[in-house]
Amino acid sequence: AQTVTQSQPEMSVQEAETVTLSCTYDTSESDYYLFWYKQPPSRQMILVIRQEAYKQQNATENRFSVNFQKAAKSFSLKISDSQLGDAAMYFCAYRSQAYTGANSKLTFGKGITLSVRP
Amino acid sequence: EAGVAQSPRYKIIEKRQSVAFWCNPISGHATLYWYQQILGQGPKLLIQFQNNGVVDDSQLPKDRFSAERLKGVDSTLKIQPAKLEDSAVYLCASSADRVSGNTIYFGEGSWLTVV
Repeated sequence: AQTVTQSQPEMSVQEAETVTLSCTYDTSESDYYLFWYKQPPSRQMILVIRQEAYKQQNATENRFSVNFQKAAKSFSLKISDSQLGDAAMYFCAYRSQAYTGANSKLTFGKGITLSVRP
Repeated sequence: EAGVAQSPRYKIIEKRQSVAFWCNPISGHATLYWYQQILGQGPKLLIQFQNNGVVDDSQLPKDRFSAERLKGVDSTLKIQPAKLEDSAVYLCASSADRVSGNTIYFGEGSWLTVV
């Protein structure tokens, strides 16, 4: 079974600065997908960024980028030019390549609470 | 495109009472998931449907939880009788199955407090 580990429970960043959130995972599969979800106090899960394991290029979405190290099974999220609206819980999640069946579910880490100081 | 709809958003019940949550997935999404998220933890899958069949319910406490997805569209998650430890947010999510790695979209969740 796959596991996702987020070892930092909380992080804080100054507005306009850069912060990196860490995530490691364990799997025996070679093809899979990794995601970062943002969860504000409303509790809705909002997709921030996704990475396909077969792609060597790190994904980027505006101010959000990842550092995907497949051999090390590491998947960190970098937030540049942090804004007050970035304050939320962030979850790292793993999904098998299978898009049907029991392996298509998301497996989440415990999450990290990010606060942004004005 | 309408998102995943859930109701009710908030529910407070006493222990041993029953509660039901409803979910309407994104139109055309064959796979529907119910996750339980206890405060301070990541979501945990309770049950996964593909169309109207159960794919994975290995972590569903079947002595008190039940779920159904009639006609492969809407789904209902029921808890009876509720325990204090069932206090959580219940997240419904859906995904299309046409392409591998499709994004899973989440609803706003149903907050349950058991007192």
